[in-house]
Amino acid sequence: AQSVTQLDSQVPVFEEAPVELRCNYSSSVSVYLFWYVQYPNQGLQLLLKYLSGSTLVKGINGFEAEFNKSQTSFHLRKPSVHISDTAEYFCAVSAFGNTGNQFYFGTGTSLTVIP
Amino acid sequence: GAVVSQHPSRVICKSGTSVKIECRSLDFQATTMFWYRQFPKQSLMLMATSNEGSKATYEQGVEKDKFLINHASLTLSTLTVTSAHPEDSSFYICSAPAGVTNQPQHFGDGTRLSIL
Repeated sequence: AQSVTQLDSQVPVFEEAPVELRCNYSSSVSVYLFWYVQYPNQGLQLLLKYLSGSTLVKGINGFEAEFNKSQTSFHLRKPSVHISDTAEYFCAVSAFGNTGNQFYFGTGTSLTVIP
Repeated sequence: GAVVSQHPSRVICKSGTSVKIECRSLDFQATTMFWYRQFPKQSLMLMATSNEGSKATYEQGVEKDKFLINHASLTLSTLTVTSAHPEDSSFYICSAPAGVTNQPQHFGDGTRLSIL
């Protein structure tokens, strides 16, 4: 089975400052990794994904994440945040070869950007 | 634009009412759809996998008779919360795979269910 741990439940950061949201996973098999953003009372929007290849993945809205297999991490970063980045962020994992497309989500990190 | 449409976005009803939530894939067929439940400030918990042409697969602890799932066609899955009670109040989200194994799912915008 797979699991995901998001170490920070809440992250406040000032506008234009950099931010890192941490995500660690556990799995006995190779995995695919995803970051989603959720705005209030809305569904989830894909930010970026790691399936294979380069470990540095760039996504939408200026976000990027780096897959680190040895540390089993997939931290999300943005060099300069905006007020509009205030939202809930979820890290998710799906096992390689999982034909059921079952995703396991972390508990989420609430990012608050302070003006 | 949205590739998965979920309706309604918000429901407020009395205890004992049954509520149906629809999830439609737009411009693509989905033989599988997923239903999640999200409590305030918490993550998404997979409730069940909806399978077109066969019975849904429920996660452990989810009452099949309480949460009825029907995958009526290749573009429509419905979740019916039967005889809803206040403890069923939650945010329900559906998703559909993009069609390729392990590709990101497309999520609906969710349904906020409030039982009075």
